[in-house]
Amino acid sequence: QSVLTQPPSASGTPGQRVTISCSGVSPNIGSNTITWYRQVPGTAPKLLMFGTNQRPSGVPDRFSGSRSGTSASLSISGLQSEDEADYYCAGWDYNLSGPVFGGGTKLTVL
Amino acid sequence: EVQLVQSGAEVRKPGESLMISCKGSGYRFTSYWIGWVRQMPGKGLEWMGITNPGDSETRYSPSFEGQVTISADKSTSTAYLYWSSLRASDSAIYYCARHSETTPLYGATYRWFDPWGQGTLVTVSS
Repeated sequence: QSVLTQPPSASGTPGQRVTISCSGVSPNIGSNTITWYRQVPGTAPKLLMFGTNQRPSGVPDRFSGSRSGTSASLSISGLQSEDEADYYCAGWDYNLSGPVFGGGTKLTVL
Repeated sequence: EVQLVQSGAEVRKPGESLMISCKGSGYRFTSYWIGWVRQMPGKGLEWMGITNPGDSETRYSPSFEGQVTISADKSTSTAYLYWSSLRASDSAIYYCARHSETTPLYGATYRWFDPWGQGTLVTVSS
C-alpha cells in the first residue's frame, strides 16, 4: 500500500494544462525531496522532476512541480500526445532511509 | 553515457534461488548508491533497498528485509539482487537505479534515482 496517494487516472486534450496531485506527504518526508518519474508502459521509469520543482536537463519547461503542506503536484502545460504515460511521485522518508512512492497516475491524452 | 544494464529475464520454480545483476558504466561506480525497485504486474513502484558499492553498506525497506539480499561488487561495477528461496509472489519486474543527492543552499537534501536499468522480468511458476 502506497504511503503517497495519487489519483489513478488523469486526462486532457492536446494543448491543455493537466495537474497530477500527490497527497500524504508527511513530516518525515523531506520538504525538498519530492521527485516525479514518468513511465511509458513496457519501459523503465525515467526521472522527470527532483527537489519538488527542479527539472533535469532535457525535460521541457512545460513540466513544473510544487508542494504545499502535505500535498505535491506535477503540472503539464501544452499537453502533447507523447505525454501519455504513467506518472509516479516519490518522497524520501527519513524514518525509512529510503523513498516512498505514490501509486501512480495514468495520464491519457484524449 | 551513464547507464545501468541489467541481466536478462529469468524463469524459476518456487523454492529455487536466483541472483540478478545490474552493471553500471560511464561513471565512478563507487560514488553512487544503487537502489532496487519492484514493479508487480500492472502495479506501481516499490522500493526494496539500496546499497553503497563503496563500502557495502546496505539498507532495506521493512517490506523486503529478510526476503532478499542486495549487494555490490565494485571490482566489476555490478550490483546484485538475490533470493534464496523464490515464491510465486516474487514474479515481477525488478529495476535497479542510481541514487543521487545534492544539498541546496536552503532546505533538505534533494534525492533522486537516475538513470534506471531496463528492468529484469522474473517469473516464478511451478
